[in-house]
Amino acid sequence: AQSVTQLGSHVSVSEGALVLLRCNYSSSVPPYLFWYVQYPNQGLQLLLKYTSAATLVKGINDFEAEFKKSETSFHLTKPSAHMSDAAEYFCAVSGAGGTSYGKLTFGQGTILTVHP
Amino acid sequence: DVKVTQSSRYLVKRTGEKVFLECVQDMDHENMFWYRQDPGLGLRLIYFSYDVKMKEKGDIPEGYSVSREKKERFSLILESASTNQTSMYLCASSLNGPSYEQYFGPGTRLTVT
Repeated sequence: AQSVTQLGSHVSVSEGALVLLRCNYSSSVPPYLFWYVQYPNQGLQLLLKYTSAATLVKGINDFEAEFKKSETSFHLTKPSAHMSDAAEYFCAVSGAGGTSYGKLTFGQGTILTVHP
Repeated sequence: DVKVTQSSRYLVKRTGEKVFLECVQDMDHENMFWYRQDPGLGLRLIYFSYDVKMKEKGDIPEGYSVSREKKERFSLILESASTNQTSMYLCASSLNGPSYEQYFGPGTRLTVT
């Protein structure tokens, strides 16, 4: 079975500050990991994904995430927050085998608020 | 530009009505998915399909059924809508394989009164 835990349902930062959104996963096989963003009244959009090619993954809008197998983590960071980053962020894990093959399991989501 | 479209953005139905939500993708993807999204619960998989006429139950299939008669179209059916099915419904599609990302539609916000 696979699962995802996002630590913190709400994160608030000032514009220009570092953004750190935490994600821990559980998977019985090497995982594929994804971060999605959802702006108000829209569907989900892929930010970045880890598919074992490199542990540090760069995505759109200057976001990046680092896969740490020893910590079973895939935290999302951005050096400098912008007002337009305000949205809900979802971490997800994709199973590579068994009944989880190809299916995404999502975390509960983290709402990011950016203050001027 | 890849696209997943959903038939309605907002829908209001009465308890007991049969409800159809439709999803169309133009990327020739094998896999299609239906999720419901509720605050604090993230996205939960209702059903998915990996080929025409093929379907598998997800984590919360009770009260729902699906239909996939053509590769590009995946329908979610609420046989008898209930108030606890008030939610945001998201459709997604992907190529076949765990490393491929899913592409999402804009969602349908369903209210059952």
